Amino acid sequence: DGGITQSPKYLFRKEGQNVTLSCEQNLNHDAMYWYRQDPGQGLRLIYYSQIVNDFQKGDIAEGYSVSREKKESFPLTVTSAQKNPTAFYLCASTVGGGGYSNQPQHFGDGTRLSIL
Amino acid sequence: AQSVTQLDSHVSVSEGTPVLLRCNYSSSYSPSLFWYVQHPNKGLQLLLKYTSAATLVKGINGFEAEFKKSETSFHLTKPSAHMSDAAEYFCVVSDYGIPGGSTLGRLYFGRGTQLTVWP
Repeated sequence: DGGITQSPKYLFRKEGQNVTLSCEQNLNHDAMYWYRQDPGQGLRLIYYSQIVNDFQKGDIAEGYSVSREKKESFPLTVTSAQKNPTAFYLCASTVGGGGYSNQPQHFGDGTRLSIL
Repeated sequence: AQSVTQLDSHVSVSEGTPVLLRCNYSSSYSPSLFWYVQHPNKGLQLLLKYTSAATLVKGINGFEAEFKKSETSFHLTKPSAHMSDAAEYFCVVSDYGIPGGSTLGRLYFGRGTQLTVWP
């Protein structure tokens, strides 16, 4: 079955350390997204990518970085510049990144990041 | 930017009774609207979507929502709650097709409503 795989499910970061969250999809979707979820705040967009080798900042991009070298992969790096990284991170994808994307987003099962 | 307001952060119902989760959106146009459900430590699953076709939208698991432009509302209902419905529900608006919106169809999420179902 097609879907989105996020790994690891749980991740711990030490102070001053960068960590990378993996997101892989086999849905052949063009557009991919990273969201951060904090209790009571809904989901906030970190970065998104409409097509390979292109990505855009969302609302809370500071302290994060991404790459989109392959269509199926969109890893997120949480850098040491992100002072409050403890959260639940969700990756999503949708078909059509070129201006006709009104289709629902499909979500992975998330990665929970905590600070040691 | 588009926005949605979920009017209740928590809703509790007894099993077998109706469910009503309220959502109001902010837009001068008729946006695309979605309801998603999230079970603990899981991703979001689409319940239903409204994209300017019929105003009463039927979704999965017996849920439905009615788009009311005059009230800028998109409330989610279910006639009879089941224990498995206990989860967090998100009302979501897309800016796709909105003048000044993105071509991507960015999603804007409400803060969520936690639904508890008592036996």
